[in-house]
Amino acid sequence: DIQMTQSPSTLSASVGDRVTITCRASQRISSWLAWYQQKPGKAPKLLIYKASSLQSGVPSRFSGSGSGTEFTLTISSLQPDDFATYHCQQYNSFPWTFGQGTKVEIK
Amino acid sequence: QLQLQESGPGLVKPSETLSLTCTVTGGSISSSNYYWGWIRQPPGRGLEWIGSVYYSGSTYYNPSLKSRVTISGDTSKSRFSLRLSSVTAADTAVYYCARHGTHYDFWSGFPAFEPFDIWGQGTMVTVSS
Repeated sequence: DIQMTQSPSTLSASVGDRVTITCRASQRISSWLAWYQQKPGKAPKLLIYKASSLQSGVPSRFSGSGSGTEFTLTISSLQPDDFATYHCQQYNSFPWTFGQGTKVEIK
Repeated sequence: QLQLQESGPGLVKPSETLSLTCTVTGGSISSSNYYWGWIRQPPGRGLEWIGSVYYSGSTYYNPSLKSRVTISGDTSKSRFSLRLSSVTAADTAVYYCARHGTHYDFWSGFPAFEPFDIWGQGTMVTVSS
């Protein structure tokens, strides 16, 4: 199985901050990486697919980059609605695997 | 718009079989463009893909659960189901159903997949006597 490792596990930030979350894959996965946002008690929401493509309806302050084994999710200016947990997921090969999640909390 | 809704018992006894159904409204599971999957999340932990089913009945399962999992679809009722046998406390989790796309990759000659774009709200299942 491909292991996905996110860092940091928790991130404290303020409204307006630029935030970057990293996801590393244990094997090369080309650009087959997705990012999700999850709020407490809710299902994950797809933000980014194919490493850098923005899902329809997602604000442009979210962006993704990377390929191979190292990927980043960037929020250019953190908004109150963005405090949540973010998960990466590889869909290069089965079994699909997720990172352990990064919680973005209010500083 | 397309919506997914999980249903099933919230409490299952150890060694018994967990059975959940995901009902799709506003669309059909018969589309050749999509697979229908199950994902779970133990309390306070990360997400785990369980498996996915195509309208034709074709399935992919997580090898870590494969010996205990069956996922099937009912196109006439636009729903698909999860059965997980011999459950233990480690199977306690929120279970989500979700849709993910598929298309033929002419370059490789194999199907290619897309991530989960529509999710159900999730249902908590506790394994306890």
